Amino acid sequence: DAGVTQSPTHLIKTRGQQVTLRCSPKSGHDTVSWYQQALGQGPQFIFQYYEEEERQRGNFPDRFSGHQFPNYSSELNVNALLLGDSALYLCASSLDGGYTQYFGPGTRLTVL
Amino acid sequence: AQRVTQPEKLLSVFKGAPVELKCNYSYSGSPELFWYVQYSRQRLQLLLRHISRESIKGFTADLNKGETSFHLKKPFAQEEDSAMYYCALGYGGSQGNLIFGKGTKLSVKP
Repeated sequence: DAGVTQSPTHLIKTRGQQVTLRCSPKSGHDTVSWYQQALGQGPQFIFQYYEEEERQRGNFPDRFSGHQFPNYSSELNVNALLLGDSALYLCASSLDGGYTQYFGPGTRLTVL
Repeated sequence: AQRVTQPEKLLSVFKGAPVELKCNYSYSGSPELFWYVQYSRQRLQLLLRHISRESIKGFTADLNKGETSFHLKKPFAQEEDSAMYYCALGYGGSQGNLIFGKGTKLSVKP
């Protein structure tokens, strides 16, 4: 089991563009949570997907949206990118939204 | 509002010395507290959670509701303990949302 996987590893975009990040959960897990980790900060909760629906959301604008597919994999979309969106985006999977979350390696997004 | 505070950005100790990484939280409900660790070039991983009351890699943490603290302790630090440590608070009932502190970098010198 490869655990949680994320793609791409790195991404460079310019302001105003849109980006899609992908996550495959650990085998057997049905819940995916997304976090943003700015430099020098701890991860900050964006939203959680369960049964293909957004179940909870953190304090992030509507520019951040997501999707979960029937195979439990998930996408994070960010529209109208701002310089402040530059961060490491982490995906974590769990079973039925439990607190024991397994994290992926992250996608490093740089907005120029 | 929910909040997790880790007052030390960096903690440096010598091998064999005791180590304590501090964590304080603010939460009006019944908290679930966790410690996550990130070793160099590895992904974030769960170290321990307060409800399991177990010792992992020699680390323990006790939830003190009176002081709203969940400090991580180890009596004898090892060089391989050098890593970034994050304290996290679980809230939102059973739906697994975590609030993380800013983290403490532990450096264990030989």
